[in-house]
Amino acid sequence: ETGVTQSPTHLIKTRGQQVTLRCSSQSGHNTVSWYQQALGQGPQFIFQYYREEENGRGNFPPRFSGLQFPNYSSELNVNALELDDSALYLCASSLGEGLETQYFGPGTRLLVL
Amino acid sequence: QKEVEQDPGPLSVPEGAIVSLNCTYSNSAFQYFMWYRQYSRKGPELLMYTYSSGNKEDGRFTAQVDKSSKYISLFIRDSQPSDSATYLCAMSARSNFGNEKLTFGTGTRLTIIP
Repeated sequence: ETGVTQSPTHLIKTRGQQVTLRCSSQSGHNTVSWYQQALGQGPQFIFQYYREEENGRGNFPPRFSGLQFPNYSSELNVNALELDDSALYLCASSLGEGLETQYFGPGTRLLVL
Repeated sequence: QKEVEQDPGPLSVPEGAIVSLNCTYSNSAFQYFMWYRQYSRKGPELLMYTYSSGNKEDGRFTAQVDKSSKYISLFIRDSQPSDSATYLCAMSARSNFGNEKLTFGTGTRLTIIP
């Protein structure tokens, strides 16, 4: 076990709705990153937070947003859901800013109908 | 062209065989190279990481990096049915601001046949 937990495990939403996914990192891990993994693909970087501030962003539109809290928990919010948002959403934490030793949670599987 | 190319497989080998998994990349700025294992319906699990050319060994696993050819490999010796999973290569390049992202390959689906 990596010590990184995510909730919920599965979620079904309809197009246009909003969703919030949650992640709890290992204690002391100041960096959290979120990834989207479509079926049969590798994870795609959404954004990274370091000490509660966004520290990098991938090629995702602004309707993907996030928060990181002082208690090592974080959220991914997606507004105006589209069918293509159906994927496994992974959060990963690491001790510092470096991502070379990054630990992933089990993911939240989102289905948009 | 994708920054990281990985043969998606599937790859099936008999138990006990040596497995070779490979990725190529185009971004010369990549400095850190990682291999993750992902079981079905689970998150990726870090297997190995390295930041230099050459070999790094950990038990039955050997990671190899050739920066001049932009080519990385993962070798699994004495493969076991429990090694059946999807293997993802990942790479990162530190930016001027210290932040970075991981760029993943598509993953190779491996099955070890008992």
